[in-house]
Amino acid sequence: GENVEQHPSTLSVQEGDSAVIKCTYSDSASNYFPWYKQELGKGPQLIIDIRSNVGEKKDQRIAVTLNKTAKHFSLHITETQPEDSAVYFCAASLNYGGSQGNLIFGKGTKLSVKP
Amino acid sequence: EPEVTQTPSHQVTQMGQEVILRCVPISNHLYFYWYRQILGQKVEFLVSFYNNEISEKSEIFDDQFSVERPDGSNFTLKIRSTKLEDSAMYFCASSVEGAPRTEAFFGQGTRLTVV
Repeated sequence: GENVEQHPSTLSVQEGDSAVIKCTYSDSASNYFPWYKQELGKGPQLIIDIRSNVGEKKDQRIAVTLNKTAKHFSLHITETQPEDSAVYFCAASLNYGGSQGNLIFGKGTKLSVKP
Repeated sequence: EPEVTQTPSHQVTQMGQEVILRCVPISNHLYFYWYRQILGQKVEFLVSFYNNEISEKSEIFDDQFSVERPDGSNFTLKIRSTKLEDSAMYFCASSVEGAPRTEAFFGQGTRLTVV
């Protein structure tokens, strides 16, 4: 089955710097890659996602890149702000006929943005 | 903004006891999920539910687990005879269509502690 590895487990950056979180997946058939942000005491919230027919997607300060050949995808946050501090999870999903596309998550990255 | 709500936020139970974790999905959603996260580990898929029946389940979801939609609003996860290793954060999620065709919205989680 699918396995998702996520690095680093913790990341500390200065406000205004960029943060990059990387994930690799094992099943080349996976075709959907969401990123979730989890703040303390809350459930994971989708912040951006990418499908396998696209190499890059951007939404304001957040971007995701996907390299299908290498089976890795990355989250890029530019101009980080203290409110970006949270745990970020990558996930992979295989959407095929009959599947609900259940998500396989990475272990999470705790991002700390220092003012 | 509509959200998935879970109760209780924290449940402590003795080993061997039955527990029921409750979730109220977003009202117009049709697909429901349970995930769990053991402390320091990945978020893991347990089960998906659609049209009043289980769509998919993981190997974690053994005979000790069951799900039910007892009325039009609640979605429950029952663990019949809890074990120490069932201690985890349990997340409920729901989506309009089978994720990833649409976003899966997560609740804030129930922390289950088995003593």
